[in-house]
Amino acid sequence: ELKVEQNPLFLSMQEGKNYTIYCNYSTTSDRLYWYRQDPGKSLESLFVLLSNGAVKQEGRLMASLDTKARLSTLHITAAVHDLSATYFCAVDEVGTNAGKSTFGDGTTLTVKP
Amino acid sequence: DAGVTQSPTHLIKTRGQHVTLRCSPISGHKSVSWYQQVLGQGPQFIFQYYEKEERGRGNFPDRFSARQFPNYSSELNVNALLLGDSALYLCASSRTMDYGYTFGSGTRLTVV
Repeated sequence: ELKVEQNPLFLSMQEGKNYTIYCNYSTTSDRLYWYRQDPGKSLESLFVLLSNGAVKQEGRLMASLDTKARLSTLHITAAVHDLSATYFCAVDEVGTNAGKSTFGDGTTLTVKP
Repeated sequence: DAGVTQSPTHLIKTRGQHVTLRCSPISGHKSVSWYQQVLGQGPQFIFQYYEKEERGRGNFPDRFSARQFPNYSSELNVNALLLGDSALYLCASSRTMDYGYTFGSGTRLTVV
């Protein structure tokens, strides 16, 4: 059974600081996703990582994937208040089609002035 | 283009009742997936449909069922509701079954 673990589960940061969220998964995968969820809202897709060594960046967020270590990271650079949200990683088992993802429990990020 | 639309947005049901949740995918999308998100947890996969056929089922009891219609819209049905069924139910659609799934805003179900 595929398990996805994120850490930390809660993160409080000062504006302007950098930090990294980690996502570990238990079985082979070739598709990993990062989503953002604001309170009471749906999931917003941030990144799709499809191969070992993949790195994607959008604004102050950068995601990477190491399939050999079964690890993805979401790095936050110079945090701003607007980044406050819950971030989820999700993984598709290798050999399965997308749309049946296993999610982690999320990292709730609070950025303080 | 309209995104994935779900209805209703909120509803309250009593234990033992039945509920039907609806999802309209993005135009041109033929695959729909359903997820349950309990407060404080990540979404959990329930069903996937593609071209009106079930293509996957998560670890949920038989009280949960779904179907996809010829226009690719979908319904999720839950019978004999339990308090533990209270959650945000999310629908996501994709053109095929590739990685480009877009989520709807969800239906928040409260069972009392």
